[in-house]
Amino acid sequence: AQSVSQHNHHVILSEAASLELGCNYSYGGTVNLFWYVQYPGQHLQLLLKYFSGDPLVKGIKGFEAEFIKSKFSFNLRKPSVQWSDTAEYFCAVSRGQGFGNEKLTFGTGTRLTIIP
Amino acid sequence: GAGVSQSPRYKVAKRGQDVALRCDPISGHVSLFWYQQALGQGPEFLTYFQNEAQLDKSGLPSDRFFAERPEGSVSTLKIQRTQQEDSAVYLCASSLKGAVNSPLHFGNGTRLTVT
Repeated sequence: AQSVSQHNHHVILSEAASLELGCNYSYGGTVNLFWYVQYPGQHLQLLLKYFSGDPLVKGIKGFEAEFIKSKFSFNLRKPSVQWSDTAEYFCAVSRGQGFGNEKLTFGTGTRLTIIP
Repeated sequence: GAGVSQSPRYKVAKRGQDVALRCDPISGHVSLFWYQQALGQGPEFLTYFQNEAQLDKSGLPSDRFFAERPEGSVSTLKIQRTQQEDSAVYLCASSLKGAVNSPLHFGNGTRLTVT
């Protein structure tokens, strides 16, 4: 079974700082990778996803993530954060194909706090 | 437009009681998922429907958990003889095609507390 590790539990940054949130997964086969975000008081929503092709994926609100297959990583980045980026961020993975590819395995999440 | 709606938002149950949690997906969404999110954890997969067919129930933790989607729209997650370890937020999500091909739209969840 696949698993996802998010090593940063709580990250605190000042506005305009650069952001990188780590995500590592354990699964040897083809994977689909996702980042979901949960703003305070709101539901989870998709930030970006990777299926295949260019390993650098751009999402909404200036976020991007890079899939590095050799490192089993899919880190989330943003060059300059805003106060409105305060939220909880979840990395998720699913198998690339076959039975079970609809089942997303989530990490434990990283709480991001941006100080104005 | 309307998103995924879950009810109730909060449920307190005494240990041993049965509970039923409802999910109204976005109209026309084929796929429906249930996830369980314990405090401080990420969501954990419970089960998945494509229309009325339950294609994957590998995440249901015990036979006390049962989910249905009889007409391919509204879904109910039932937990029998609740235990304290069942306390969690139960999230429902739907997607137009599937979790891989189209984004999951999550509801706000039902927070279940078993006392």
